[in-house]
Amino acid sequence: GENVEQHPSTLSVQEGDSAVIKCTYSDSASNYFPWYKQELGKRPQLIIDIRSNVGEKKDQRIAVTLNKTAKHFSLHITETQPEDSAVYFCAAYSGGGADGLTFGKGTHLIIQP
Amino acid sequence: DTGVSQNPRHKITKRGQNVTFRCDPISEHNRLYWYRQTLGQGPEFLTYFQNEAQLEKSRLLSDRFSAERPKGSFSTLEIQRTEQGDSAMYLCASSLRGGRADTQYFGPGTRLTVL
Repeated sequence: GENVEQHPSTLSVQEGDSAVIKCTYSDSASNYFPWYKQELGKRPQLIIDIRSNVGEKKDQRIAVTLNKTAKHFSLHITETQPEDSAVYFCAAYSGGGADGLTFGKGTHLIIQP
Repeated sequence: DTGVSQNPRHKITKRGQNVTFRCDPISEHNRLYWYRQTLGQGPEFLTYFQNEAQLEKSRLLSDRFSAERPKGSFSTLEIQRTEQGDSAMYLCASSLRGGRADTQYFGPGTRLTVL
């Protein structure tokens, strides 16, 4: 089955700086890669996703890049703000009969004022 | 609120008791998923439904777990003879089938504590 590794587990950045979170996946058949943000005690919320037919996608301060050859994808947050503080999860979808997402272990992003 | 809803939000039970959780998906969504999330981990897939048909179960779903979606709308997840290791957040998600990979929207979860 699919295996998703996520790094770092904790990331502390100064407000206004950029943050980058990286994930690798194992199943070359995976074709969909969402990123979720989860604040303490709340539901995971989709912030951006990318499908395997594109290499990059951007939505305001958030961007995701995908390298299918290397089997890794990254989340980039620019001009970080205090409300960006949360746990971020990457996930991969590999299909093949198992239609659930496989998640990474999460990155706790801390924005220092 | 037109998002995914789950009830109850919290459940405390004693070991050996049975518990049942409910999930109401976004109304037009025909796919419904159950995940389990423990502290410091990402959600782990348990099972999913396309309309009323349960199409896939993870090996994490032991025989004590059963899920239903009788009319293709809401779903229930029952855990029989609960164990302390069942303590976790149980998340439901729904999506609209279209293409090979569908965007999943999560509910707020049911936090289960087994004493």
